[in-house]
Amino acid sequence: QKEVEQNSGPLSVPEGAIASLNCTYSDRGSQSFFWYRQYSGKSPELIMSIYSNGDKEDGRFTAQLNKASQYVSLLIRDSQPSDSATYLCAVNPTGNQFYFGTGTSLTVIP
Amino acid sequence: GAVVSQHPSWVICKSGTSVKIECRSLDFQATTMFWYRQFPKQSLMLMATSNEGSKATYEQGVEKDKFLINHASLTLSTLTVTSAHPEDSSFYICSATSGQESSYEQYFGPGTRLTVT
Repeated sequence: QKEVEQNSGPLSVPEGAIASLNCTYSDRGSQSFFWYRQYSGKSPELIMSIYSNGDKEDGRFTAQLNKASQYVSLLIRDSQPSDSATYLCAVNPTGNQFYFGTGTSLTVIP
Repeated sequence: GAVVSQHPSWVICKSGTSVKIECRSLDFQATTMFWYRQFPKQSLMLMATSNEGSKATYEQGVEKDKFLINHASLTLSTLTVTSAHPEDSSFYICSATSGQESSYEQYFGPGTRLTVT
């Protein structure tokens, strides 16, 4: 079982819609969770971090964490073509360990 | 804040030569730096983790004598690809974390694209 699992996609949504990206993790003791965006040919960029159960909103992005279900998601409201990228979920179980998912490719169709 | 730079952004070298890539945290002290490799259309692959002043910890299957990592200060880590071969051509990305309690956010450099001819 992989430490972090994501649907690889591709996920396509029309412009203006809500894009929903999901991630599950295996280490129940994990405390820190992150979402990164990676454009083709570029390095990952941190867009959200979440540490507590519930929702965390930042502009058009909302991260949701449910530790009981070992599930973290990212919602992108009012999706724009510029949101088209690969989204990586990362989990930090402890100290300097980080596990990345393989990423979900998102395409926003104008 | 939390800016990580890498140099060079791209490099072409001949087979058998060595290439050094620098990774710097510009506005924070990076207790830990990570080195990743990414092939086209594939996911990030962690190569090694380095803590300032300590030997790097390499992931299984990564040759430590081929990929030399030095983390000499809290703001600089280097990756040297020794005796490079065409199969080493890839996108090399470093990242850094300050390791402060409650903030293990990892910030990535812009990456270095290595082509070995």
